[in-house]
Amino acid sequence: NAGVMQNPRHLVRRRGQEARLRCSPMKGHSHVYWYRQLPEEGLKFMVYLQKENIIDESGMPKERFSAEFPKEGPSILRIQQVVRGDSAAYFCASFLGAGPQGTTEAFFGQGTRLTVV
Amino acid sequence: RKEVEQDPGPFNVPEGATVAFNCTYSNSASQSFFWYRQDCRKEPKLLMSVYSSGNEDGRFTAQLNRASQYISLLIRDSKLSDSATYLCVVKGTGGFKTIFGAGTRLFVKA
Repeated sequence: NAGVMQNPRHLVRRRGQEARLRCSPMKGHSHVYWYRQLPEEGLKFMVYLQKENIIDESGMPKERFSAEFPKEGPSILRIQQVVRGDSAAYFCASFLGAGPQGTTEAFFGQGTRLTVV
Repeated sequence: RKEVEQDPGPFNVPEGATVAFNCTYSNSASQSFFWYRQDCRKEPKLLMSVYSSGNEDGRFTAQLNRASQYISLLIRDSKLSDSATYLCVVKGTGGFKTIFGAGTRLFVKA
């Protein structure tokens, strides 16, 4: 049972290009979070998705950023027209489900390090 | 007020020391609490869950105070390998998002 897989591990984009980050959750997991971590800072919540649904996107910038988690395939975090300030590590975490107590552990991927030049 | 706040770091301690981290949360409806550990440039990994009755795992003790809305992590007999960032994590139910604290850095020195 592979863990959470993120790709690419490293991504370099020029200003104005698009960045697409992929996250394949653990087998059987239907909930995915995306977090952003700037250098020397903590994890910042971006978006919480279930299959085919966005549950909470309150942490995601209104412009240029979008996320999806289709019925089939990985979750995608898309950043259009990237700027230097988008340079960060983007982590995806998956877990089994909210459950009655919401106590299930979140498992993280190794992250995608985006560098905008 | 931030949803989850942690002690500012870094903590610099000698090997063998006891160190404690605190974390406060603002949403009284929060149901689940965890401590995660993040090594430099790596992904966070679960260190331990935090239960109402308090729980211990070797040198690590976690406690929850619902009335005051804080959780704590105590590390006894610190090792060099404990050097990392420790993240406080709070989660609700019914689709509430999981919130991470900004993390507290710990440096254990020989």
